[in-house]
Amino acid sequence: AQKITQTQPGMFVQEKEAVTLDCTYDTSDQSYGLFWYKQPSSGEMIFLIYQGSYDEQNATEGRYSLNFQKARKSANLVISASQLGDSAMYFCALRKGRRALTFGSGTRLQVQP
Amino acid sequence: GAVVSQHPSWVICKSGTSVKIECRSLDFQATTMFWYRQFPKQSLMLMATSNEGSKATYEQGVEKDKFLINHASLTLSTLTVTSAHPEDSSFYICSVGGKVADTQYFGPGTRLTVL
Repeated sequence: AQKITQTQPGMFVQEKEAVTLDCTYDTSDQSYGLFWYKQPSSGEMIFLIYQGSYDEQNATEGRYSLNFQKARKSANLVISASQLGDSAMYFCALRKGRRALTFGSGTRLQVQP
Repeated sequence: GAVVSQHPSWVICKSGTSVKIECRSLDFQATTMFWYRQFPKQSLMLMATSNEGSKATYEQGVEKDKFLINHASLTLSTLTVTSAHPEDSSFYICSVGGKVADTQYFGPGTRLTVL
């Protein structure tokens, strides 16, 4: 069985500062993918970043980077230079192959001016 | 990436009625679509996997006779909530898996309120 754990129900960060959202996972599969999604109040799921289990380098997408530590089974999201528009729910998710995603419980990020 | 639409975006219905939600993959032929449910302040939980041309696969605890899924074409999957009750009020969201493992596209979601 796959499991995703996000231990931070809520986080605050000052505008322009960096913030790390934690995610740990549990899977017995060797090949898998890790995703981060942002969900604003509108409900849409916005894809942020992806990390494959065999990728040797940490994924980066603009202000988003994924700190992937395979041995520790962690895939933390780092948002640099936070903006007010970053305030939202953030979900970490795990996927094997073409299966559905297994989501963590989410972290609500609030960016303060 | 694939564009996924859902209709309606929101619906209010009376208890006991049935509601149909459509999920369309606009520019990608999807043999598999996924249906999730999200209660307020909670995470997304997989309800079922919709397979084109065959029966859907339901997750444990999801009543297949209550949540009818039809995937009649490569671009359309429908979820029908039969005899809806207030506890079925939720945010229903579909997704389409891309050709490669690093993609999964979500529809905008449907907010269902059962009175």
